[in-house]
Amino acid sequence: DAGVTQSPTHLIKTRGQQVTLRCSPKSGHDTVSWYQQALGQGPQFIFQYYEEEERQRGNFPDRFSGHQFPNYSSELNVNALLLGDSALYLCASSVFSGTNYGYTFGSGTRLTVV
Amino acid sequence: QKEVEQDPGPLSVPEGAIVSLNCTYSNSAFQYFMWYRQYSRKGPELLMYTYSSGNKEDGRFTAQVDKSSKYISLFIRDSQPSDSATYLCAQNTDKLIFGTGTRLQVFP
Repeated sequence: DAGVTQSPTHLIKTRGQQVTLRCSPKSGHDTVSWYQQALGQGPQFIFQYYEEEERQRGNFPDRFSGHQFPNYSSELNVNALLLGDSALYLCASSVFSGTNYGYTFGSGTRLTVV
Repeated sequence: QKEVEQDPGPLSVPEGAIVSLNCTYSNSAFQYFMWYRQYSRKGPELLMYTYSSGNKEDGRFTAQVDKSSKYISLFIRDSQPSDSATYLCAQNTDKLIFGTGTRLQVFP
């Protein structure tokens, strides 16, 4: 049973560029959440997608946007990259009306902005 | 005040020691708490979850919630070098609010 798959695993971008990160949820999961984890910090909630709509959003600027596809996979887009966007980006999938602890995380995409 | 606070450590203990990891939270409206373990270069994996107050045990791990003091704890008995990782506490408020994470090293 495949878990959450994220791609790419590593990425180096230049300040001002745009980046797209991808996530395939665990089989049977219909909801995707994205988190940003800076070095030495806990993950910070960016947003959550269900039924192809953004359901919740954390305290992140509009430069961060996302999309969910009919097969439940999701993309995270970041425009006008800043050095401070360097972090591990984690995708977590879950069932929308499921248990309160049923989140499965991927291994993340490590983004470095230079 | 951060919603979930956690001592970042690092914590270094000998093999076989009992480890105590702690967090405090501020929002009493949500009572689902989780402990995740994160190895280097990996995503967090769920270790334990608890609801409201009380203890929950799973093998060498015990999770505890004290609602009155807004304190959550994870105890690891007979710690092993393979337990060396970062431990994250989280509160589910319809999204996961994480603590900073505590780095634990168990040396042989």
